Amino acid sequence: QQQVKQSPQSLIVQKGGISIINCAYENTAFDYFPWYQQFPGKGPALLIAIRPDVSEKKEGRFTISFNKSAKQFSLHIMDSQPGDSATYFCAASYNNNDMRFGAGTRLTVKP
Amino acid sequence: GAVVSQHPSWVICKSGTSVKIECRSLDFQATTMFWYRQFPKQSLMLMATSNEGSKATYEQGVEKDKFLINHASLTLSTLTVTSAHPEDSSFYICSGQEGYTQYFGPGTRLTVL
Repeated sequence: QQQVKQSPQSLIVQKGGISIINCAYENTAFDYFPWYQQFPGKGPALLIAIRPDVSEKKEGRFTISFNKSAKQFSLHIMDSQPGDSATYFCAASYNNNDMRFGAGTRLTVKP
Repeated sequence: GAVVSQHPSWVICKSGTSVKIECRSLDFQATTMFWYRQFPKQSLMLMATSNEGSKATYEQGVEKDKFLINHASLTLSTLTVTSAHPEDSSFYICSGQEGYTQYFGPGTRLTVL
């Protein structure tokens, strides 16, 4: 059972544009929602994370929007750069356990 | 952020041999460490959860006798792939948990000939 659904599978954005990746979850017990960035041949790196008691969190060019009632959260990358080209994974966990990952989104930022 | 290392970063071995992968948390103590497997262009698949000083908990479908996990200290967990076969070739990634966050190692590319 896929507990975290991520879309789109791939995304192409022009330099300077906004990249938007969406995730939906099923388990209302989830209480921690991180986003990871992974470059080819490397391990995932934590990008930004949010708890369900806030609706938005911003760190630099990266923003998480969280909609608890809709059980959805999204990552917005402002002013996208070619160096942002990577695979992005959303995830969700509860009670410090069992982190479940989305299928990933391959982002390509064209110069 | 917290740093996790893995060794080796890549390994090639012959079919039937065993391979050990080390995962270390360098600047924090990880009571819980996780082992994942990732196939090309796919997401991370959780293999097992290990807690320091106790037996690992394996996900359904993961052979615990084939993938031996030892979490001997708060900073070290090891994964041993026993009697490796070509179908075990994959990218293995560990993570250590600090608070709510999992910090991932750089991964180990295993190729079994």
